[in-house]
Amino acid sequence: GEDVEQSLFLSVREGDSSVINCTYTDSSSTYLYWYKQEPGAGLQLLTYIFSNMDMKQDQRLTVLLNKKDKHLSLRIADTQTGDSAIYFCASSGSARQLTFGSGTQLTVLP
Amino acid sequence: DAGVTQSPTHLIKTRGQHVTLRCSPISGHKSVSWYQQVLGQGPQFIFQYYEKEERGRGNFPDRFSARQFPNYSSELNVNALLLGDSALYLCASSLVAGTDTQYFGPGTRLTVL
Repeated sequence: GEDVEQSLFLSVREGDSSVINCTYTDSSSTYLYWYKQEPGAGLQLLTYIFSNMDMKQDQRLTVLLNKKDKHLSLRIADTQTGDSAIYFCASSGSARQLTFGSGTQLTVLP
Repeated sequence: DAGVTQSPTHLIKTRGQHVTLRCSPISGHKSVSWYQQVLGQGPQFIFQYYEKEERGRGNFPDRFSARQFPNYSSELNVNALLLGDSALYLCASSLVAGTDTQYFGPGTRLTVL
């Protein structure tokens, strides 16, 4: 079945850039998403990229997609303490559902 | 505009009981999906409904069922609760079914004792 994988933890210093990586298996993925989850909360949609794009920039967020390697990354510029959260990568493919990774816990150190 | 709303926020049940969770989508959205998020994991797809019809089902037992009403709100029902059903249940709405962008509610935290 479809699979999405992410590294579990990432720590960065406040003001540095964060890069969260994700790999997926479904070559028919139409859209790829990044969601943010703060403790005890639901999922907040951060950004998404269509599969025929290589890059998308939205303020401090940059998404890079390497479709050949099925690799997706999210770069957060000038990371702040409020960015500390769990970040989920998700793919939507031929099935009518989102397939999520296990999430990357981002910790921003002062 | 209000986002996706879910009720209740928290729920405690005992094994063998039944539970009903409710979701109201964003105004104008016609599709609702349900996901289960066990602690420490990513959400797992349970169901998708569009225009009151089931459009997708994940790998969950028949104890899980759902329905969508004419006003596009939805209920998720779980029978014969097991300890392993303890999780955050997330509802997501989208304009249409399929690969349309999904917006999530705050979730219902279910604890089964």
